[in-house]
Amino acid sequence: QVQLLQSETEVKKPGSSVKVSCKASGGNFSGYAVTWVRQVPGQGLEWVGQSIPLFGKGNFAQHFQGRVTLTADESATTSYMELSGLRSDDTAVYYCARVTMIQGATYFDYWGHGTRVTVSS
Amino acid sequence: DIRLTQSPSFLSASVGDRVTITCRASPSIDQNLNWYQQRPGQAPELLIYGTSTLQSGVPSRFSGSGSGTDFTLTISSLQPEDFATYYCQQSYSVPLFTFGPGTTVHV
Repeated sequence: QVQLLQSETEVKKPGSSVKVSCKASGGNFSGYAVTWVRQVPGQGLEWVGQSIPLFGKGNFAQHFQGRVTLTADESATTSYMELSGLRSDDTAVYYCARVTMIQGATYFDYWGHGTRVTVSS
Repeated sequence: DIRLTQSPSFLSASVGDRVTITCRASPSIDQNLNWYQQRPGQAPELLIYGTSTLQSGVPSRFSGSGSGTDFTLTISSLQPEDFATYYCQQSYSVPLFTFGPGTTVHV
């Protein structure tokens, strides 16, 4: 059973960066893409971006272009999302999820528990 | 860009009710539509992918249908654990994705 374990709560100053980790327990991300979704308090889900660990830079929602970097460790066990130029409206819970593609369908089947990022001066 | 809308935004229901949630896409997304459930304070969970295929472990009271621009999620007999927010998501424009705004089902 795959579990995605995310790093803990972060509190950051405006203008700084945050790096959130997502570790696959019970396997790794080989052959899968990892996607990131955020949820501002009281609001819905917002897709941030995705990448295939160790293959390329990834694809991002226009809103996050130029501010998000997706990386992974050499074993493709842990994926990272780094968000720079933090603003107060980046305060949210950030989720990672595994992307499965099968028989023409693409979906997010395993999710991390979420990492709360608070941006405050 | 592909836009998704959901209706209703909020839905009041009782245990045992049949509940239907609608997701509309613009433009057409064939059958590349997934549904997720999110209970308060928890991460989202996949319910249905490819419009109508139930994810493993999801109760059979959940079903999905539709094609093109109009999709529905139906819960045949609402259970206490089904009070949650439901999101549709399109995967037509892979590797770019979009979520709908969500529908909250409450008592």
